This record gives sequence, structure tokens and C-alpha cells, in this order.
Amino acid sequence: DAGVIQSPRHEVTEMGQEVTLRCKPISGHDYLFWYRQTMMRGLELLIYFNNNVPIDDSGMPEDRFSAKMPNASFSTLKIQPSEPRDSAVYFCASSTGGPYQPQHFGDGTRLSIL
Amino acid sequence: GENVEQHPSTLSVQEGDSAVIKCTYSDSASNYFPWYKQELGKGPQLIIDIRSNVGEKKDQRIAVTLNKTAKHFSLHITETQPEDSAVYFCAASAPGYIFGTGTRLKVLA
Repeated sequence: DAGVIQSPRHEVTEMGQEVTLRCKPISGHDYLFWYRQTMMRGLELLIYFNNNVPIDDSGMPEDRFSAKMPNASFSTLKIQPSEPRDSAVYFCASSTGGPYQPQHFGDGTRLSIL
Repeated sequence: GENVEQHPSTLSVQEGDSAVIKCTYSDSASNYFPWYKQELGKGPQLIIDIRSNVGEKKDQRIAVTLNKTAKHFSLHITETQPEDSAVYFCAASAPGYIFGTGTRLKVLA
């Protein structure tokens, strides 16, 4: 079975540009999570969805960040406008059966904002 | 909100020795505690988990213990091998995970 698929794997862009990160969860999973990993702050939960509906976005750092899940097989995390401090590895994870179940992570998108 | 502390931040052991990583959590309502292994350039991979109604769980060379009263849980790896070298994260469900700060384990051949 295919795991969680994220694209692109690497993104380098200039400050002020719009960035869109993409995620395809494991088929049949009804929870989707977005995390950010940095050296300073470690792994942080940004937002999670259940059945395509955002449940908790309290981890989203600023209004510049937005996430959508238009259907069960696709989610995006958008940053507009991007800033150098947004540079990080962004992970998507999915699970089934509830938020207290094992989460399966993608291999992440390494984002560099110049 | 939940807070998870993890120690040590780095750990070096000789091949064949045991490794122990410890975590504490703050929210007594947390009831699910997974451990993840992260290799360079990869996403975290679940290696073992434990729920609050269980005190210990084993899977081959890996075991996890949970002390709900003290709010701490530990990962034990026995007979370590070079391929165990990676960064290990503990987490507590909040829901969504609150991760510890990670332990870089080096197994010296």
C-alpha cells in the first residue's frame, strides 16, 4: 500500500512568494495532520482535519498560513506571503479511527525561503 | 496544554548494549503514547506505542513502559545494532501529538 505522499520534496523560493505544499493521505484514513519541524521548536502540530473538516488550527502560526482539504485524498498547506522564518520541514500524517490512533507520516517537504 | 519533556538529547551506546530514553508529560488526560524513529531525510516512523490502560508493551528488542501516576514513559532498546542509530521521538496525544524534543541515538560498532 502507498504511504502518505507529499510534494514537492524540496522547495526553494524567495521571500514574499506564495508557497503551496501538497499531501495525499493513505486511502481510507479519515484524519489528516500537518506538522512543522525546525531545530529550534522541534515537531509542532499546525492543524488537523477529520473527514475533510478542520478540527483544530490553534497551531497555525499566523494568518499567512492556511490549510484546506477539498476531498478525502488531498490536502494543501499554503503560505502567503512567505518569510525566511517559515523555512522548515513540513510533514503530513494520516490516521484512521480517531486522533488517538497511530499516525503515518510522509517524508516531508523541505522548505527554504530566501 | 500538554507538554512533553524528553531525555537525554543524545545517547551513545556500544553495539549490543541497551539504550533507554525517558519522557514525562503534563496532562493527565493524555491516554496514548507513541514512539517514533526518524532517519535522515525521512518522516517519523512509528516503532511502538502504549495506551494508558497498559503498563508495559514489548515488540522484539523494543519495549515501552508507562507510569501514569508519575506521568512518565520510557523506551527500552535491547541488543542495539548500528541500524538503530537515528533520532527517536516520544509523543503524547492531546489529540494530535505533542512531541518530545528528540534523542539522537548513536550505536557504535
